[in-house]
Formats: sequence, C-alpha cells, structure tokens
Amino acid sequence: EAQVTQNPRYLITVTGKKLTVTCSQNMNHEYMSWYRQDPGLGLRQIYYSMNVEVTDKGDVPEGYKVSRKEKRNFPLILESPSPNQTSLYFCASSLSISYEQYFGPGTRLTVT
Amino acid sequence: AQSVTQLDSQVPVFEEAPVELRCNYSSSVSVYLFWYVQYPNQGLQLLLKYLSGSTLVKGINGFEAEFNKSQTSFHLRKPSVHISDTAEYFCAAQVGAQKLVFGQGTRLTINP
Repeated sequence: EAQVTQNPRYLITVTGKKLTVTCSQNMNHEYMSWYRQDPGLGLRQIYYSMNVEVTDKGDVPEGYKVSRKEKRNFPLILESPSPNQTSLYFCASSLSISYEQYFGPGTRLTVT
Repeated sequence: AQSVTQLDSQVPVFEEAPVELRCNYSSSVSVYLFWYVQYPNQGLQLLLKYLSGSTLVKGINGFEAEFNKSQTSFHLRKPSVHISDTAEYFCAAQVGAQKLVFGQGTRLTINP
C-alpha cells in the first residue's frame, strides 16, 4: 500500500530536549516536505527536499533541521524544542511540487 | 502579503444544500492551484487541482472548482452536500519552483 508514515503520532516533551520525528514514504517520490498546522494559520511549510541531499527552507524553518540521506526518509529534528513549537506536524511526499502531495497521518507535538 | 486567502473560516450549511468555499490568490503565485480536504483526525488528501487548460476543474466526491484569472480566485463548489463532507478544506498554490503555500482553511459543517 502506497503511504507516508510518521512516528511518533503523539509526543509530549519538555523544553530543550532534542527530538526527532521520522517520516518515510514507499512511493519512490523525489519531493518531500514538512508542514506544521496551527489553528487559524492553515499549514505552513517548514522545509522541503527535492531529492537526496537537496533540502531548502520553507516559510517557518527557525528551530528545525532536516536531512535527506535516503530517498524514502525525511526526518524532522528539533534540537532544542520550545513551547511555541507545540503543533500538529505533517510530512508529505510527491513526484514533484506540481503533483498531488501524499500526506502522513500527522504527529501531535506538545512542548511544556 | 498572504499568497492564498480563504475568505471564510467556517461555513455551516444544511444537508443537500449547495456550498461554495472561497479562495483568492495573489498575483505573486503561480497558477498551479489545489484544494485539499482534511477529515477529522486525518491527514490531507487532494480534492482537485488546476495546472492549465479548462478553467472548470472536477474533483473527487462531486466537488468542482473554477479558476478565474481576472478575479484571482479558485472557489470550490458542490451542488448538494452530505454529512460525510464535514471536514476542513484547504486551498493551496505553488509559489516559485518548489514551494507550496496553503490558505488558512475553511471548516465546513453540515447540519441535518
């Protein structure tokens, strides 16, 4: 089954404790991206990757890091999480930006 | 300036009534436009997209949208809604070569 998986689905952590949210897709897609969803703000792009070892900033990259060492995986790293990063995070993949984005189920992160 | 603006944060309608969800985009974005739907506690899935060609685009679940270049709009319509259409709807546009920008979302509530 074609899908995008994210782990964990729910995470509660404390300020400053490094964490990684994993994202994996099995569709051989070149384009992957991370979004955060906040009430009233819709989805905002954090980072995107056009292919292995090629990443770039989206609209809200501050406080986040990503890597793309393999085509299927695109982890999101929060080196020192802060409460303003409490949000719902989605990973997505597609053949390219102009094609349908396939979204993962989301990761709900709470930073206290 | 906001690249994609959804004019209504919430739209309540009665079952079997028609509905229109409004979306305007700025001239700074490309004319690659999308509508995504998010059912409760799920990720987003594509309803329809406009890349070129006919300005009336048909999507899944009976939805359609019309691209209007002069009014910079891409409104989503359905002639008769069902309870199962209750969801949040997002308009999105490609910005530049590799970024996707979403509107703030419109919550559609169907009343019996």
